[in-house]
Amino acid sequence: DTAVSQTPKYLVTQMGNDKSIKCEQNLGHDTMYWYKQDSKKFLKIMFSYNNKELIINETVPNRFSPKSPDKAHLNLHINSLELGDSAVYFCASSQGDRGIDYGYTFGSGTRLTVV
Amino acid sequence: KNQVEQSPQSLIILEGKNCTLQCNYTVSPFSNLRWYKQDTGRGPVSLTIMTFSENTKSNGRYTATLDADTKQSSLHITASQLSDSASYICVVSPRLNRLAFGKGNQVVVIP
Repeated sequence: DTAVSQTPKYLVTQMGNDKSIKCEQNLGHDTMYWYKQDSKKFLKIMFSYNNKELIINETVPNRFSPKSPDKAHLNLHINSLELGDSAVYFCASSQGDRGIDYGYTFGSGTRLTVV
Repeated sequence: KNQVEQSPQSLIILEGKNCTLQCNYTVSPFSNLRWYKQDTGRGPVSLTIMTFSENTKSNGRYTATLDADTKQSSLHITASQLSDSASYICVVSPRLNRLAFGKGNQVVVIP
């Protein structure tokens, strides 16, 4: 079974729409992350939650709002989508916090295309 | 300037041949260095992890080396297979800070 699962895998939407991406992990990890991978394949952290508490919030437009109902789930809601939001979004989880690499497990990614 | 630089950006090799990927970093001090493999359409998967004091670590046909003095790491792929076609990402973990990702080495293995 997939350890970190995110849905949907593909998302095509028009500019201005609001969309959500969901992520769930069944590893019992304390920390979950959202990363954005742009067309140049560079992974950039967006948010990190530890036990439902926001611990990393990079310079991301406030149109992006993470929500963690419990430590096994971290969803990403995006308002007023723009063309530049097109990218692959990866959810990840790890044991421990503060970004120290105890071993990340990544989801398969959500390819968002804004048209 | 990115704290982790990888070269070459992309590489095409014949099946069965060896190749070496390079990672130079400026992060200091650091806790550990990992190499991840990212298949197309998938998330990154950890291949090797090395702490500051380790020089080499193997995982099957993958061998990573680390020179903490020169801040360089390499990933050597032996007897490449078609399934090795992927992006290989070098990730450095600064202590008490966020991970620093390289942009990846894109490897294409052709028959």
